[in-house]
Amino acid sequence: RKEVEQDPGPFNVPEGATVAFNCTYSNSASQSFFWYRQDCRKEPKLLMSVYSSGNEDGRFTAQLNRASQYISLLIRDSKLSDSATYLCVVYNFNKFYFGSGTKLNVKP
Amino acid sequence: DAGVIQSPRHEVTEMGQEVTLRCKPISGHDYLFWYRQTMMRGLELLIYFNNNVPIDDSGMPEDRFSAKMPNASFSTLKIQPSEPRDSAVYFCASSPLGDEQFFGPGTRLTVL
Repeated sequence: RKEVEQDPGPFNVPEGATVAFNCTYSNSASQSFFWYRQDCRKEPKLLMSVYSSGNEDGRFTAQLNRASQYISLLIRDSKLSDSATYLCVVYNFNKFYFGSGTKLNVKP
Repeated sequence: DAGVIQSPRHEVTEMGQEVTLRCKPISGHDYLFWYRQTMMRGLELLIYFNNNVPIDDSGMPEDRFSAKMPNASFSTLKIQPSEPRDSAVYFCASSPLGDEQFFGPGTRLTVL
């Protein structure tokens, strides 16, 4: 079983829609969690860290569910510029694990 | 700040040649990471350093790969000899505390 798993998508949504991605992780002792965004042929960029209590940054909300071992990313009022691949990252015991990414296409 | 700087941005070489990729982390960041990304395998952590010391190199594929960090502002990833299956985008990232990482633009390597 992979350390981190994501639905590869693509998720095709219209502008203004709300979309959510989940990411499951296998190690219950995982310590830190992040969402990164990667545009086509570009480097990954940190979108947000995921805190135990959940956190919000503008249209983006990240949540952690330790009992079910997943993190989620919610995007409200999606924009064309949100089209990208979203990578979840899990850190445990000095190791970082990247998911394979979920592709989002926001269409006009 | 200029961000993480990688060179070269593109490299095309022939099988059997030595390849050296270079990275300058963001000043003041104590952690440096090397990743490889391919369509088939996604993003893979190869090795990372803390204060110039390798902490985890379990992702380095084999002895053909080596990485060094002689000082806080420079690191190299070397492949010798290179093989076609090494073709990928190689990213360097740095981090102040080892958690949130800032990636460089990557080096696109093609081994013919």
